[in-house]
Amino acid sequence: KNEVEQSPQNLTAQEGEFITINCSYSVGISALHWLQQHPGGGIVSLFMLSSGKKKHGRLIATINIQEKHSSLHITASHPRDSAVYICAARGGADGLTFGKGTHLIIQP
Amino acid sequence: DAGVIQSPRHEVTEMGQEVTLRCKPISGHNSLFWYRQTMMRGLELLIYFNNNVPIDDSGMPEDRFSAKMPNASFSTLKIQPSEPRDSAVYFCASREGTGPEKLFFGSGTQLSVL
Repeated sequence: KNEVEQSPQNLTAQEGEFITINCSYSVGISALHWLQQHPGGGIVSLFMLSSGKKKHGRLIATINIQEKHSSLHITASHPRDSAVYICAARGGADGLTFGKGTHLIIQP
Repeated sequence: DAGVIQSPRHEVTEMGQEVTLRCKPISGHNSLFWYRQTMMRGLELLIYFNNNVPIDDSGMPEDRFSAKMPNASFSTLKIQPSEPRDSAVYFCASREGTGPEKLFFGSGTQLSVL
């Protein structure tokens, strides 16, 4: 069974700071998802990646398959980025194993 | 498209009652997932359908839980009888195909069993 660990669990930063959230997993995967859960509870899929790097606006996700590690970066952070960020590893059985999430608060 | 639609948004019921949660996936998506989210355990996969067929139900906690997908546009998750420990947010998600596509989540059903 895949173990997915995220760090940090909680992160408070000032507006404009560069944010990094880390995710590591224990067994090989076919893909890794980064999800964003808004304070209201809705979940949005930000990225799905199996290698390299993807960028969308101020968000960048990278994955290192050999090291079984992924990072989510937010540049020029803004209070509206405040949310829970969850990484999820997709294994062969197609189910996702989720990390516990990182609670991010960006203060003005 | 309206996205993945779940109903009800909130459900409050008493222990022992039957609860039915509903999900309408995005049209054209042939993979559907039910997840449960609690403070203690985070998000967990309950069951996954592909082309209306249950592929992996190993996450279903016990026999009180059952899920059906009678057609490509509708799925239900039923709990009978419900217990207080079933209180959680239940999410449905859908995906086009079985390859490397994005998941789309519904808004979730907040279930409280008293």
